[in-house]
Amino acid sequence: QQQVKQSPQSLIVQKGGIPIINCAYENTAFDYFPWYQQFPGKGPALLIAIRPDVSEKKEGRFTISFNKSAKQFSLHIMDSQPGDSATYFCAASIRGSRLTFGEGTQLTVNP
Amino acid sequence: DGGITQSPKYLFRKEGQNVTLSCEQNLNHDAMYWYRQDPGQGLRLIYYSQIVNDFQKGDIAEGYSVSREKKESFPLTVTSAQKNPTAFYLCASSLPGNYGYTFGSGTRLTVV
Repeated sequence: QQQVKQSPQSLIVQKGGIPIINCAYENTAFDYFPWYQQFPGKGPALLIAIRPDVSEKKEGRFTISFNKSAKQFSLHIMDSQPGDSATYFCAASIRGSRLTFGEGTQLTVNP
Repeated sequence: DGGITQSPKYLFRKEGQNVTLSCEQNLNHDAMYWYRQDPGQGLRLIYYSQIVNDFQKGDIAEGYSVSREKKESFPLTVTSAQKNPTAFYLCASSLPGNYGYTFGSGTRLTVV
């Protein structure tokens, strides 16, 4: 019940495309859903986060869509660039407890 | 600038030796975490500490040990009991509540 399932495992898009990464969870007590971006050889960095009282949050070219009834949330990257090529992790937590991470998605944006 | 410093960036260890990875933060965060990341895989939690002088095992604690004597420091020792220690190790910290984690830049450990 503590798991967060992330898909796809890898994703390749052309520059300007809109990659979408999906995550699903079972535990309805989760109340914080962040996304992290990790470049090779670096630690993950917080990209954007959402709480279940909103259905969408946008920061620059990154948007989280949240579907509470389906227990799913997704990351959309508008006008993707080669510099967005990285591994993306979704995560979830309950009332500030430790984060449960998804398995990660390796995104490649071709020029 | 506030942040998390992990050292060294690269570490080589002979089989049978213990090695300690350093993690220091100046963010005044209460909680600290150690993760292991293998190529193409996700983040697996080794140990975490929510307060000084207290820590809990994560999902893969066997063969590892930690201490939390100071708020700023959370060193991880990889012991000879760890069967497959070659990996990328990440330290993170957070404030109480849902504020996300700040990660260090990682230590790549190779057993030779």
